[in-house]
Amino acid sequence: KAGVTQTPRYLIKTRGQQVTLSCSPISGHRSVSWYQQTPGQGLQFLFEYFSETQRNKGNFPGRFSGRQFSNSRSEMNVSTLELGDSALYLCASSLGKGATNEKLFFGSGTQLSVL
Amino acid sequence: QQQVKQSPQSLIVQKGGISIINCAYENTAFDYFPWYQQFPGKGPALLIAIRPDVSEKKEGRFTISFNKSAKQFSLHIMDSQPGDSATYFCAAHLYNQGGKLIFGQGTELSVKP
Repeated sequence: KAGVTQTPRYLIKTRGQQVTLSCSPISGHRSVSWYQQTPGQGLQFLFEYFSETQRNKGNFPGRFSGRQFSNSRSEMNVSTLELGDSALYLCASSLGKGATNEKLFFGSGTQLSVL
Repeated sequence: QQQVKQSPQSLIVQKGGISIINCAYENTAFDYFPWYQQFPGKGPALLIAIRPDVSEKKEGRFTISFNKSAKQFSLHIMDSQPGDSATYFCAAHLYNQGGKLIFGQGTELSVKP
């Protein structure tokens, strides 16, 4: 089975621009979660989508948004980019059955640099 | 409190030694505690996980010890190898929160040959 695929791998943007990141989950997985990873704040949960609906949300401003398509692929969008948005954005997929011990499988991430 | 506190921030161990990473939490609503391993340029990969009703879980050279009363858990890597050099994250899952994990700050492990 192919793993979680994130595109693009690297992205450079300037302040004020917007960006869209893409995630293709493992085949058969219906849940996609997004995380932001920075040296200072570590790994922080952004949001989770299941069956095209946002199921959980972290503590990020409204500039961060996402969506999920009927094939479970997901995109996240960041509008009005700020320097502090520079980070590794990770996508994780899981079956989505809601089991407590459900395993998350992470992609390699998209490294976003905001200049 | 939804924090998970992890220590140490970095760890240097000789080949063959035991690496120990500790985590502590406050929220008793956490119901699942996974550990992730991350190599440079890669996403975190699930290493081993435990539920709070179990005091210890072992998988190969990796063992989680869990102390529910103290709200602490730790990862032990026995016979540490240079290939184990990576960043390790403990995490906690909140009941009924799907794919949301609360991560510790990470421990950068270096195993010297």
